[in-house]
Amino acid sequence: NAGVTQTPKFRVLKTGQSMTLLCAQDMNHEYMYWYRQDPGMGLRLIHYSVGEGTTAKGEVPDGYNVSRLKKQNFLLGLESAAPSQTSVYFCASREGLDGYTFGSGTRLTVV
Amino acid sequence: DQQVKQNSPSLSVQEGRISILNCDYTNSMFDYFLWYKKYPAEGPTFLISISSIKDKNEDGRFTVFLNKSAKHLSLHIVPSQPGDSAVYFCAARGAGGTSYGKLTFGQGTILTVHP
Repeated sequence: NAGVTQTPKFRVLKTGQSMTLLCAQDMNHEYMYWYRQDPGMGLRLIHYSVGEGTTAKGEVPDGYNVSRLKKQNFLLGLESAAPSQTSVYFCASREGLDGYTFGSGTRLTVV
Repeated sequence: DQQVKQNSPSLSVQEGRISILNCDYTNSMFDYFLWYKKYPAEGPTFLISISSIKDKNEDGRFTVFLNKSAKHLSLHIVPSQPGDSAVYFCAARGAGGTSYGKLTFGQGTILTVHP
C-alpha cells in the first residue's frame, strides 16, 4: 500500500549538474503532478501529466523537463541545476476531486 | 500574481480553543476549494473540501466556510488539539475542461496548538 513514492529523499547537487527525480504511484491514477515548495510561496506547479505519454507545463516549468513513459511513473529532470532550484519537490497523483495523493518529498540543494 | 493567499504565516492557539485559518482568492473561476495539512518531512494530506455551490462543509472537528462574494474561505478547528500542529495549505481548483484538476496553493499557515 505504497501510494506515491519519491526517490531520492535528499540530494545535493553542484551548479550545472543534472539529475532526475522519480515519482512512482501504484494506484493506477491517470493524472500526475510535480510541485515545488519554497518558503512563503506555497506549492507551485512545475509540470503535469493527464495520462501516459502526455506532459504539459505548469506555473514554473523553466529549467525542468518531464517524461511519462509509463502510467505509474512521472520523472522530473534538471538538465543543468541552478541554486534557484534549491527547493522541496513534491509529486502527486489524482483520482477524483479530493483524490490528490502526495509523496513525501525530495529535498534538493544546489550549491 | 498570487491567486490564492494565506495572509497569516502562523497561528498559535491553546488546546481546546478554536483555530481559524483564513484564505483569500482572486480568481472567480475557481470552482472547488480544498485544505491540506502537512507535517514536517511528509507530503501534504487532504483534510476537507468545499464546492463553490456550497457555503459550509463539516467533517468532525473541521469546518470550512466559503464566502463567494468576498472570495474568502476559512477553516475552523474545534476543539484544537496538539496533534493539529502542522502547516495548513488552502488550495483552489480551476473550473473548465482544460484545468485538468490543477490546484493553486496558498503560502501556508503554520498552526501551533499549545497544551
